[in-house]
Amino acid sequence: NAGVTQTPKFRVLKTGQSMTLLCAQDMNHEYMYWYRQDPGMGLRLIHYSVGEGTTAKGEVPDGYNVSRLKKQNFLLGLESAAPSQTSVYFCASSFWRGINYGYTFGSGTRLTVV
Amino acid sequence: KNQVEQSPQSLIILEGKNCTLQCNYTVSPFSNLRWYKQDTGRGPVSLTIMTFSENTKSNGRYTATLDADTKQSSLHITASQLSDSASYICVVSVRNGGTSYGKLTFGQGTILTVHP
Repeated sequence: NAGVTQTPKFRVLKTGQSMTLLCAQDMNHEYMYWYRQDPGMGLRLIHYSVGEGTTAKGEVPDGYNVSRLKKQNFLLGLESAAPSQTSVYFCASSFWRGINYGYTFGSGTRLTVV
Repeated sequence: KNQVEQSPQSLIILEGKNCTLQCNYTVSPFSNLRWYKQDTGRGPVSLTIMTFSENTKSNGRYTATLDADTKQSSLHITASQLSDSASYICVVSVRNGGTSYGKLTFGQGTILTVHP
């Protein structure tokens, strides 16, 4: 049982390049999320999904796209990377039932855009 | 605007000592409050989750308290260990009508360093 797995762990992009971050969970969680973490700030929600085939915008969705074609996978895409997207990206998942549902986070992807 | 403020920003203590981290929030309507531990280079890991009706919850040497009236929470760490060195993040969830998804608002974290 691996929990939430993110790939890659590190990546350096040039401005304008594109890339996809992959998140996979093996806990049969309905909900999946992408966050970014910047120094001195709390995690901010980029996009989330409440089930296979669904996606929704979070607080900071501009410049990102997502897809949830399979329940266990949630992809985050950067079509044209900008230096402002330099950050650490975390994927998380959770069950939808109950008020006390816990979130399981991946170990993060450190992205640098130069 | 929903906000979560944590204090102090950073804290250094000696191994074996106790410490208390603070969290103030203005999130409404309140659903629950969580404390997470984030080791360097890792994702956050849940320590406790408390609802409106709970005012204390423990997880080993970690004890969280919640005062929903004053919108304050604290995380008390007893007999600190070197492995407690990490960022501790307070997270408050908004109740979102009839759906199960409640938006999380994250604090910026308190960086705790435990020295031998």
